[in-house]
Amino acid sequence: SAVISQKPSRDICQRGTSLTIQCQVDSQVTMMFWYRQQPGQSLTLIATANQGSEATYESGFVIDKFPISRPNLTFSTLTVSNMSPEDSSIYLCSVASTGRDTQYFGPGTRLTVL
Amino acid sequence: AQKITQTQPGMFVQEKEAVTLDCTYDTSDPSYGLFWYKQPSSGEMIFLIYQGSYDQQNATEGRYSLNFQKARKSANLVISASQLGDSAMYFCAMREEGTGNQFYFGTGTSLTVIP
Repeated sequence: SAVISQKPSRDICQRGTSLTIQCQVDSQVTMMFWYRQQPGQSLTLIATANQGSEATYESGFVIDKFPISRPNLTFSTLTVSNMSPEDSSIYLCSVASTGRDTQYFGPGTRLTVL
Repeated sequence: AQKITQTQPGMFVQEKEAVTLDCTYDTSDPSYGLFWYKQPSSGEMIFLIYQGSYDQQNATEGRYSLNFQKARKSANLVISASQLGDSAMYFCAMREEGTGNQFYFGTGTSLTVIP
């Protein structure tokens, strides 16, 4: 399986600010995804990051709040914009060789918004 | 309806004993995959085991096995010879062929291994 890294691993931010999370994979992968896990909850898919085009967002998530970039097959960023305390969560990126394959997750970014 | 149901919010097991974590799923798609992930307190999601809907045999990976009962739509995870390091949250997930990339996750089961 691919080795996936995320930066930062954790951060504490003030409300109204934005944070960009990076996801790096050590090999080219077709699929990259971003998930949110609110405290004590399960994972919710935010969007599929598409290389060279706009991300595909799930219901309840919009580009203005969670802009995503994917400039190549090994790197993606998720920005959490205009943060509020409700955005305090673990944000995880995952990758898969194809849409049919197992998804492997990065170590996550633990975000706290004050 | 929930796609994935995990009815055990918390479980305890004695070290070296076996434990079964329950998972039931709901789908009308004949082709799907079932997954189990482990999430320690550090927050990372660790892939454990996969079962395809057409697989004839139950999947096994070391101390992990998946008790796949297709007619009952259940995919229970069995951990044999529990270790203290097995203490974590465990999530069951499903991917349907018809919906492509979407993974549906259950609410998780917190497992505590008692020395």
